Amino acid sequence: GAGVSQSPSNKVTEKGKDVELRCDPISGHTALYWYRQRLGQGLEFLIYFQGNSAPDKSGLPSDRFSAERTGESVSTLTIQRTQQEDSAVYLCASSSRTVSGANVLTFGAGSRLTVL
Amino acid sequence: AQSVTQPDIHITVSEGASLELRCNYSYGATPYLFWYVQSPGQGLQLLLKYFSGDTLVQGIKGFEAEFKRSQSSFNLRKPSVHWSDAAEYFCAVVYTGTASKLTFGTGTRLQVTL
Repeated sequence: GAGVSQSPSNKVTEKGKDVELRCDPISGHTALYWYRQRLGQGLEFLIYFQGNSAPDKSGLPSDRFSAERTGESVSTLTIQRTQQEDSAVYLCASSSRTVSGANVLTFGAGSRLTVL
Repeated sequence: AQSVTQPDIHITVSEGASLELRCNYSYGATPYLFWYVQSPGQGLQLLLKYFSGDTLVQGIKGFEAEFKRSQSSFNLRKPSVHWSDAAEYFCAVVYTGTASKLTFGTGTRLQVTL
């Protein structure tokens, strides 16, 4: 697609429920990243995919968080047994490698999660 | 661990005035540096990036930034701010060998008065 697409754009859920957030990266982008942005704060790295493998999961805050990616396409971030502190905007980004080796990330508009 | 500091949480400037947003990064291997802008309800948009070469880089919307290795800084500047520049600005760094994982600062919220 033309950009990184995320769904849902807004999700309100009750504490204890599971949620799934979806990211559709730019076609041909091999790398995919998930970040979390709490209100008034910067972006926290969650997980990075290269293809469908996740070489860096170091940012996942607990075992309630998991993510998967199908090939070099859609990724799903799953939060089980949601807690109020999970309320945040979850941002997805994808990239293709630049000639210098550093990736320029293109971000989606985010999924705003509110846990009541 | 790599880190980025944006010391100014909130800045207010008058339209037409000049702007400088500060960014300092922790010392490490060769850094790649970025500035992103986030308008309300929208995703992050890349303003500019520094990989190597000329330490003064030009970006979109009239922004520029200067990489100063001796000061570990990458400050963002604009000579004349427009009301539409009101947004949140994030500085980010990635070091070689870290799988291009961006580390972000906490952001600076820019307010523009007319």
